[in-house]
Amino acid sequence: DMKVTQMPRYLIKRMGENVLLECGQDMSHETMYWYRQDPGLGLQLIYISYDVDSNSEGDIPKGYRVSRKKREHFSLILDSAKTNQTSVYFCASSHTGIEQYFGPGTRLTVL
Amino acid sequence: GDSVTQTEGQVTVSESKSLIINCTYSATSIAYPNLFWYVRYPGEGLQLLLKVITAGQKGSSRGFEATYNKETTSFHLQKASVQESDSAVYYCALSDRGNTRKLIFGLGTTLQVQP
Repeated sequence: DMKVTQMPRYLIKRMGENVLLECGQDMSHETMYWYRQDPGLGLQLIYISYDVDSNSEGDIPKGYRVSRKKREHFSLILDSAKTNQTSVYFCASSHTGIEQYFGPGTRLTVL
Repeated sequence: GDSVTQTEGQVTVSESKSLIINCTYSATSIAYPNLFWYVRYPGEGLQLLLKVITAGQKGSSRGFEATYNKETTSFHLQKASVQESDSAVYYCALSDRGNTRKLIFGLGTTLQVQP
């Protein structure tokens, strides 16, 4: 069963703390993505990873960094989180670049 | 730039009635965009509902249909008879076929089906 998992599902942090969001997939997809979704703004692309250690900025990379050391794992890191990074974060993976498979999302609140 | 527009933020339809959710796109930097409808049911992640990669073709899934119309740059989602279980958020999206592999989403349309 093809699956993208995200951990944790819910997270509350204080401003200035570091945040680590994890994403895994069991399909050996080369390409993985991180998006955030805010009310009225739709899904916005933060980073794309084309394979291990091959990452590229998306449309809104400021304040984020990523790590991909294994094909099946893709991490999103917020160093010193800000309140405007409160959002729902979605991870996705793709083999063909045409169809993307999404995880269930992580709801992050930064106080 | 490239963009996707969904004009309705929320649609309410009675069960067994027909549905149309509008989607238009602008693909100024993409010669041959791929078009998608994704759906997000409550508590779940987005899942692909249907895709069409060739202009003029129709995609269908779970009773939903959408036709890739290059002349009107539209990709409207239709269903002849909705069910309460169709209540969800529907996203229209496009992607290019190049190396970027990026999806560009519309803002989403929340469908509420009343029994």
